Amino acid sequence: EVQLLESGGGLVQPGGSLRLSCAASGFTFSSYAMSWVRQAPGKGLEWVSIISGRGGSTYYADSVKGRFTTSRDSSKNTLYLQMNNLRTEDTAVYYCAKDYLVCPDCYYWYFDLWGRGTLVTVSS
Amino acid sequence: QSALTQPASVSESPGQSITISCTGTSSDVGNYNLVSWYQQHPGKAPKLMIYEVNKRPSGVSNRFSGSKSGSTASLTISGLQAEDEADYYCCSYAGSGNLLFGGGTKLTVL
Repeated sequence: EVQLLESGGGLVQPGGSLRLSCAASGFTFSSYAMSWVRQAPGKGLEWVSIISGRGGSTYYADSVKGRFTTSRDSSKNTLYLQMNNLRTEDTAVYYCAKDYLVCPDCYYWYFDLWGRGTLVTVSS
Repeated sequence: QSALTQPASVSESPGQSITISCTGTSSDVGNYNLVSWYQQHPGKAPKLMIYEVNKRPSGVSNRFSGSKSGSTASLTISGLQAEDEADYYCCSYAGSGNLLFGGGTKLTVL
């Protein structure tokens, strides 16, 4: 079955760190760029980051640049988001999402497969 | 960069058509054909409905269509059905490895 499954969310204090994981199955993981998109409670979608299929390049939203790091392990078919120096405004459901078209070294910037999300709460 | 601008809410009766606008700038919507639309039901993950302005992924009803004029993209839903009631988000590549979403539009099918 083609699916994405996020894990690693939870409650963390401001300034703390958390690492999210996204386990992929049912498709050739290394052939697709992958993104993280978040949604604060009751709010809209916000793109967070993207990583190429082979993992050689990444981009980040200005709001997380320098604090978040996206990586992937093709041997484990898993995408990661390392979040450091967390702020209360980072509280959100974090979704991982797969680029729609095959391209190991490029991006299409639209996503046809999403996980169910994992909730990150930053609060003291 | 600021989010793309969408109306907060729209409503229409079943069987009718509705168009949701998405206004950006010459740096995003106006400069790239990488505009996509997502449907999100409460508590669910987003679903890709339109990509590259006007293309439909396999399995998406042809009642959904997209277009663009200048810096404004639009999503049109014809023959509205109860299950179309959801939040809709536009999305556009904005250059330099940046992606923008709209604020979202809540569609109510009366």
